[in-house]
Amino acid sequence: AQSVAQPEDQVNVAEGNPLTVKCTYSVSGNPYLFWYVQYPNRGLQFLLKYITGDNLVKGSYGFEAEFNKSQTSFHLKKPSALVSDSALYFCAVRDRNSGAGSYQLTFGKGTKLSVIP
Amino acid sequence: DAGVIQSPRHEVTEMGQEVTLRCKPISGHDYLFWYRQTMMRGLELLIYFNNNVPIDDSGMPEDRFSAKMPNASFSTLKIQPSEPRDSAVYFCASSLEGEQYFGPGTRLTVT
Repeated sequence: AQSVAQPEDQVNVAEGNPLTVKCTYSVSGNPYLFWYVQYPNRGLQFLLKYITGDNLVKGSYGFEAEFNKSQTSFHLKKPSALVSDSALYFCAVRDRNSGAGSYQLTFGKGTKLSVIP
Repeated sequence: DAGVIQSPRHEVTEMGQEVTLRCKPISGHDYLFWYRQTMMRGLELLIYFNNNVPIDDSGMPEDRFSAKMPNASFSTLKIQPSEPRDSAVYFCASSLEGEQYFGPGTRLTVT
């Protein structure tokens, strides 16, 4: 079984400050990890993914995430937050060793990010 | 590519009516997923297909829900009869490998 935890329902940060949205995961094998963003009344939009290799992954809009295997975490970060970053953020995981055809992602419950001007 | 296309974007119907939601995945993608999103339950996977074949429908809430994928470029999610508790935003997503790409969603309101 695979699962994702986003421990914070909401994160508030001042514009220009660094932001972190936390995610921890559980899989039986090795993970594929993803971050998505959802703006109001829109679908989820892919931000970045970790498959293998460098633990620091860079994605869209200046976001990055760091894979930490020992802590089973994949926190989303950005050095300087923008008001336009305010949205709902979802972390997702898939077990890399899941069988053929078992392709579903497990999503966290989402974290609402509010960037305050 | 236009991305994943869903129709209608909004649907308001009365309890007991049949509702059909439609999805056109990104060309070349071989996985298609149907999700439901509500404030109370968050994002739920209902069913997904690989090469037009349903792989896992364990998330379909009950027999009132059915999904089909007659070809690689079209899928439907049908609710018959609809109930007020089905009110939600329904998303379709498609994937080739790795990340999934989501459509804009259909906001369903059942009165």
